Amino acid sequence: GESVGLHLPTLSVQEGDNSIINCAYSNSASDYFIWYKQESGKGPQFIIDIRSNMDKRQGQRVTVLLNKTVKHLSLQIAATQPGDSAVYFCAVIYNFNKFYFGSGTKLNVKP
Amino acid sequence: SQTIHQWPATLVQPVGSPLSLECTVEGTSNPNLYWYRQAAGRGLQLLFYSVGIGQISSEVPQNLSASRPQDRQFILSSKKLLLSDSGFYLCAWSVQGLTGYTFGSGTRLTVV
Repeated sequence: GESVGLHLPTLSVQEGDNSIINCAYSNSASDYFIWYKQESGKGPQFIIDIRSNMDKRQGQRVTVLLNKTVKHLSLQIAATQPGDSAVYFCAVIYNFNKFYFGSGTKLNVKP
Repeated sequence: SQTIHQWPATLVQPVGSPLSLECTVEGTSNPNLYWYRQAAGRGLQLLFYSVGIGQISSEVPQNLSASRPQDRQFILSSKKLLLSDSGFYLCAWSVQGLTGYTFGSGTRLTVV
């Protein structure tokens, strides 16, 4: 199985600051990782992914870092905006068939 | 392009009543299909996944069942709902070995 946790249940940041959301996982055989954003009452939306053979991947204003040694994943959001306010989940996948989610971090962006 | 449809969006059902939630995927063949439940303020719990027609794997013992009568159709059912079945149910699909795990818009189920 898989145990996925998040270091903080809520995170408040000032608009324009950078945000860092963390995730820990337990199964070293995990081979694929995704970050999702979920707004209230909606399904999760894909943000960025990374495979286990990588340690960093960048998107538009977002960066995902993977440390397989300590089984840790992070999502960095640059210049956080009010529209970034949501719950963020990490998903840990192995065998590309089963994926497990952390409990989520609620990001509050203060204007 | 691929799309996923899930309905209804909201549902209020009495305790002991049956349940049927449907999820369909368009624009792809032989997808992996998943049902998740999200309790209020909690993370996503994998309930069932299917890699093909008639193939269902259950992740946790519960009052629910799933079926896949067609390649792109995934159904979540219950014969008798419990109060604890209330939650936000999400269907998702993926293609094995590729990226693109996509979620439906969810069904808010309230058992009263």
